[in-house]
Amino acid sequence: DVKVTQSSRYLVKRTGEKVFLECVQDMDHENMFWYRQDPGLGLRLIYFSYDVKMKEKGDIPEGYSVSREKKERFSLILESASTNQTSMYLCASSPKSPVTGELFFGEGSRLTVL
Amino acid sequence: AQSVAQPEDQVNVAEGNPLTVKCTYSVSGNPYLFWYVQYPNRGLQFLLKYITGDNLVKGSYGFEAEFNKSQTSFHLKKPSALVSDSALYFCAVRDMLNYGQNFVFGPGTRLSVLP
Repeated sequence: DVKVTQSSRYLVKRTGEKVFLECVQDMDHENMFWYRQDPGLGLRLIYFSYDVKMKEKGDIPEGYSVSREKKERFSLILESASTNQTSMYLCASSPKSPVTGELFFGEGSRLTVL
Repeated sequence: AQSVAQPEDQVNVAEGNPLTVKCTYSVSGNPYLFWYVQYPNRGLQFLLKYITGDNLVKGSYGFEAEFNKSQTSFHLKKPSALVSDSALYFCAVRDMLNYGQNFVFGPGTRLSVLP
C-alpha cells in the first residue's frame, strides 16, 4: 500500500522557534509538494520539488524553506515561526509520469504557534 | 491562470437521497480534473479523476462525476448518500504550466448527510 508519512501529527511551538516538518514517501515518486490548509482558503501550495535538490516556489513561499536531499524525503522549514503560520500542513507526492497521475497525501501536521 | 470554484461552502442532504457537490474550473488548455475527500484531522484521499474520454467518471465509494466542457463544470455525484459520506470535498485541476507538476484546489465544500 502506497504511503506518505509526515513525522508529526500535532506540534506546538513558540514564536521565533525554528520548525522542521518532515515528509517521507515510499512510492519512488519524483514530485513532492507542501501545502498549507486553512478554513475557507482550501489548499495553497508553499513549495514543490520535481527532483532531488530541486525546488520551486508555490503560491505562498514567504517565511518557509524546503530541503530535498533524498528522493523519498521532503522537509519544510519555518526559520522563525510566527502566529500566522498556525495551520494544517499537508505533504503530497505524485509520479512524474504519467502527468495525469493523482496526488497522494500524508495525514497532515497541525502546527500551533503561540 | 488556472482556477477552481466550489460555489457552495456547505451542502446538506438526507441519507438515501442523491447528492451533488459542484465544481467549476478555468484552464487555458485541456483540463485534468480531480476530486478528493478529507475526513476530520486526516489527509486528502483521491476519489476520481477526468483525463479524457467518457464524460461520466466513476470513482471510489460509489461516487461519480460528470465533466461538462461547455459549462466548464465537474460536479461530484452519488445516487444515494450515506451518513459516512459526511466530509470535506475538494475539486482540483492540474496546471500543465510550471513543469506540468502543480495542482490547483478549490476552497472545499463541506457535505453533511443527515440520518
